[in-house]
Amino acid sequence: DIQMTQSPSSLSASVGDRVTITCRASQGIRNDLGWYQQKPGKAPKRLIYAASSLQSGVPSRFSGSGSGTEFTLTISSLQPEDFATYYCLQHNNYPRTFGQGTKVEIK
Amino acid sequence: EVQLVESGGGLVQPGRSLRLSCTASGFTFGDYDLSWFRQVPGKGLEWVGLIRSKAYGGTTENAASVKGRVTISRDDSKSIAYLQMNSLKIEDTALYYCSRTVAGLPDYWGQGTLVTVSS
Repeated sequence: DIQMTQSPSSLSASVGDRVTITCRASQGIRNDLGWYQQKPGKAPKRLIYAASSLQSGVPSRFSGSGSGTEFTLTISSLQPEDFATYYCLQHNNYPRTFGQGTKVEIK
Repeated sequence: EVQLVESGGGLVQPGRSLRLSCTASGFTFGDYDLSWFRQVPGKGLEWVGLIRSKAYGGTTENAASVKGRVTISRDDSKSIAYLQMNSLKIEDTALYYCSRTVAGLPDYWGQGTLVTVSS
């Protein structure tokens, strides 16, 4: 199985901060990775697909980068509605595997 | 508008069976793969399995944690996907989500249905 190691597991940030979340794959997965945002009591929402493509309707302050084994989700200027948990998901191989999640909290 | 609605969850005893449904609308259901995921409340997301569209054989993939106990099927005429779970274990307790899957990656998700396995 491909292990996805996501870091940090949580972070505290202020509105307007730049936030970076990383996922590392245990083997190369090309760009077969998506990023999801989940708020309490809600289903995950896709932000990024193909590692760096912005999902339609998602604000441009979200961006993704990386290929192979290292991937990054960046929020350029954190907004109040961005406080949530973020997950990466690899779809290069079965079983599909998620990172452990990063909880972004208000500082 | 793409919508997915899961149903069929509830309280079930260990060893029993349950069938979850995922009813879709707002898109041509038969053209898409469907995935199932689960999440223990307060914990991370886990992939359960996938069923491909008929164009790709309608075949399925399952996680090792449920292999042999889970069957995923679809009825394209009704725009419904099913997750049949047998020999349920306490550790199957979770919120179960279905999602439309495009090029291997989920885009739209339902709101989930809660399965509680307890005696």
